[in-house]
Amino acid sequence: QVTLWESGPALVKSTQTLTLTCTFSGFSLTTNDLCVAWIRQPPGKALEWLALIGWDDRKSYTTSLKTRFSISKDTSKNQVVLTMTNMDPVDTATYYCTRIRYGDYDFDYWGPGTLVTVSS
Amino acid sequence: QTVVTQEPSFSVSPGGTVTLTCGLNSGSVSTTHKTSWYQQTPGQAPRTLVYSTNARSSGVPNRFSGSIVGNKAALTITGAQADDESDYYCVLYMGSGIWVFGGGTKLTVL
Repeated sequence: QVTLWESGPALVKSTQTLTLTCTFSGFSLTTNDLCVAWIRQPPGKALEWLALIGWDDRKSYTTSLKTRFSISKDTSKNQVVLTMTNMDPVDTATYYCTRIRYGDYDFDYWGPGTLVTVSS
Repeated sequence: QTVVTQEPSFSVSPGGTVTLTCGLNSGSVSTTHKTSWYQQTPGQAPRTLVYSTNARSSGVPNRFSGSIVGNKAALTITGAQADDESDYYCVLYMGSGIWVFGGGTKLTVL
């Protein structure tokens, strides 16, 4: 059974760095074609794809925010970490981690999401 | 900048058919974009309806179908039911490991 869950601070201040951890089970990020992505959703707004890391350690980031992001994985712990620098109140959102398999191109499993509020 | 467009809202009568679309601000959507469609109800994580343009996810009723119509991806709901009232999002694969979500469509069934 595949599960993912997000953890991190619920509240950060402007200009601070946010670190979110996705812990997963039921699959390994050493398996070909598997990736973990981060997606966020501000309250009442649309989903936004942020970043992805693959089984082969390839990384990709949304173009508009890539200078602020860093994604990494620890395959021994089944974890993926997303770091966002210089947080702003507009970054207030529910942050989801998801699994995706190249070939299907489907974000097939999602964590429950974690709400991060950025105070000014 | 790539913008993926969706109708902000749509309304359908129970039992009716509705087609939601997913376009690009510049260019056409094709099968190479591997369009996926997600349904989201308030407070819940999204769930996959269709992936890779027209593959229905396991357990999804066959009244949901994906296709390319003209220069857009499309999600058609045939025989809409009350519990189809949700937000629907498409996402396109832009290559080089990058995805872009649309702005979402709020579907009302009444």
